[in-house]
Amino acid sequence: AQRVTQPEKLLSVFKGAPVELKCNYSYSGSPELFWYVQYSRQRLQLLLRHISRESIKGFTADLNKGETSFHLKKPFAQEEDSAMYYCALGVLRGSTLGRLYFGRGTQLTVWP
Amino acid sequence: GAGVSQSPRYKVTKRGQDVALRCDPISGHVSLYWYRQALGQGPEFLTYFNYEAQQDKSGLPNDRFSAERPEGSISTLTIQRTEQRDSAMYRCASSPGQASYGYTFGSGTRLTVV
Repeated sequence: AQRVTQPEKLLSVFKGAPVELKCNYSYSGSPELFWYVQYSRQRLQLLLRHISRESIKGFTADLNKGETSFHLKKPFAQEEDSAMYYCALGVLRGSTLGRLYFGRGTQLTVWP
Repeated sequence: GAGVSQSPRYKVTKRGQDVALRCDPISGHVSLYWYRQALGQGPEFLTYFNYEAQQDKSGLPNDRFSAERPEGSISTLTIQRTEQRDSAMYRCASSPGQASYGYTFGSGTRLTVV
């Protein structure tokens, strides 16, 4: 069965410190993986897609199929990074994206 | 439109009443998705459409929940005979269809059943 695990519900770091938000998934097929972010009182926003291998706001995430992980990393955290982060696993229906399975989220707090 | 629009933003209803939640996706987006999110949890899938066809409704919790997208654009999620346990944030998202794009979410509708 498909599952996304984010083991840390809360994560706190100081400004300038590295941060890593963990995400592990369970899926027998070829995964489509995403990170979504929700800043206070705002809508869920797409942060990263594994397929694009991009860096957004200094964040990167590498898909490790051997460890079934898609951890989100940033070398130097900023106060404005404080938000709720959700990892999501997408299931393809043909060539289109079907449902996403979300983790429960990690609340990141960056202290000044 | 420029983004995914959901209405109403907030809905308070009495137990036993029916409610209809509306989603207006980004113009031209093929796929439309409904999710429900309880406090402290990640979004939970309800159903989704490609154009007007409902592709997967396996997440609808029971037969009080239904959704439609008759013209392949605006969608309505209807909850009949609401119960207190239906209280949650209901989120709609749309996608151009290609898997790599992910979804764009609306602001959500906060439903409270009293």
